[in-house]
Amino acid sequence: QLQLQESGPGLVKPSETLSLTCTVSGGSIRSSSYYWGWIRQPPGKGLEWIGTIYYSGSTYYNPSLKSRVSMSIDTSKNKFTLRLSSVTATDTAVFYCARQPESPYGGFDPQFDPWGQGTLVTVSS
Amino acid sequence: QSALTQPPSASGSPGQSVTISCTGTSSDVGGYKFVSWYQQHPGKAPKLMIYEVSKRPSGVPDRFAGSKSGNTASLTVSGLQAEDEADYYCSSYAASHNVLFGGGTKLTVL
Repeated sequence: QLQLQESGPGLVKPSETLSLTCTVSGGSIRSSSYYWGWIRQPPGKGLEWIGTIYYSGSTYYNPSLKSRVSMSIDTSKNKFTLRLSSVTATDTAVFYCARQPESPYGGFDPQFDPWGQGTLVTVSS
Repeated sequence: QSALTQPPSASGSPGQSVTISCTGTSSDVGGYKFVSWYQQHPGKAPKLMIYEVSKRPSGVPDRFAGSKSGNTASLTVSGLQAEDEADYYCSSYAASHNVLFGGGTKLTVL
C-alpha cells in the first residue's frame, strides 16, 4: 500500500525559505504512470495546489506561487522536495504531499490520491 | 485564476440526499472532464471521493455520485449517514497545467 510522509521544520522565520520533503513508501516514485504533488491548507481555510513534479524532473507550479516555488525529486531515495522562498505569515499552513496519476491526454490528472498525513508549518519570528 | 465557488454549508437529515455545487468557468470545470471531490474530516487529510467528474475510487460507497453540467459540477450524497459529516472540496484541472480547488462546503448531518 502506497504511503506518503511529509517532513521538515515546523517553524520558519519570515523572509526565509521553507523546505519540506515527502518520502514515498510501498511503491516507486520512478513510475512513469504517476506524478507527485504538493497542496497546502492554511488553518481553518481551504485547499490550495502548490505544484506537481514528474520523476523526470518536469515541474508544474501554481501561477500565483510560481516566483517563489521550486520542487525537486530524488528517485534514488524515493523522495521529492518542496521549497518556498520569502515566506510570510500568510504561508502558515498544513502542507500535504500526494500522488497524481498520469492523464491519458498527456501531463497529469489533477486527482490526488493517496495523501500524506500533512505537516503544519508556522511562519513566525 | 480564482478558486472554484462552493456553498459554505449544506445540511440534511439521516437518510436524505444532499447536493453540493462547484461552479467554475469554461476554462476549468466546463472545459475539462477532470473534476474531483474530496472529503475531509477534522484534523485529517482529504480523501478522494470522486474523480473525472463521476468515477468512484475503490472503497467509496455508491451513495456518493458526481456529475457536471456546463461550468458547474455537483456532488450528491444519498442516504446521508452520520459519518458523512465533513468538509467537501471540489477541484478541477484548469488551462495551462493548473489545478483549482473550491473553497469547501461544510456538510452537517442534522
